[in-house]
Amino acid sequence: DAKTTQPTSMDCAEGRAANLPCNHSTISGNEYVYWYRQIHSQGPQYIIHGLKNNETNEMASLIITEDRKSSTLILPHATLRDTAVYYCIVRARFSNSGYALNFGKGTSLLVTP
Amino acid sequence: NAGVTQTPKFRVLKTGQSMTLLCAQDMNHEYMYWYRQDPGMGLRLIHYSVGEGTTAKGEVPDGYNVSRLKKQNFLLGLESAAPSQTSVYFCASSYPLRGETDTQYFGPGTRLTVL
Repeated sequence: DAKTTQPTSMDCAEGRAANLPCNHSTISGNEYVYWYRQIHSQGPQYIIHGLKNNETNEMASLIITEDRKSSTLILPHATLRDTAVYYCIVRARFSNSGYALNFGKGTSLLVTP
Repeated sequence: NAGVTQTPKFRVLKTGQSMTLLCAQDMNHEYMYWYRQDPGMGLRLIHYSVGEGTTAKGEVPDGYNVSRLKKQNFLLGLESAAPSQTSVYFCASSYPLRGETDTQYFGPGTRLTVL
């Protein structure tokens, strides 16, 4: 699996957009970019994933650069409940050996009033 | 649907004691996983299963055993608990036989302290 690099921490004002970057310069052609988050003491929660096109769902948007070496998760209107650790994970979508997620240390996002 | 549930939520053990953590999912998922998370760290994979009756080692399997006798259940056993196994344990499942999503769903976690 390709390695990812994320900032250790970020702040965002409530109501503003939170833009969380992720570098994955060694990503291969069949690997997807996944984002999960973990609110304190809870199990990780899936947010979104994409291959090369930008993706949007009810939680967030995912912007992937044309060369696929980096991506940005966008929370359009951050709320206090979005305070969490956000993990960017690169992985092939299906595998006969399982689909284990390689969690790094992620980005700790603090949304402030 | 309850999703992924874990039993118990909390447990305190003495060194050398044994215990089993139970994970159950009601989403008909093929794959199931056990992770551990230590303070300030990301999750690390202990063992996983790609189907009923099959298990495989993950990144940190030593000191743990698992069993998948039924598709909906994945058990994690500690035969002789050690203080280094103090952690939060998360179970997850993924890959339904039908449908397109391959999202991994996590349980709420079990907080284990070994004294």
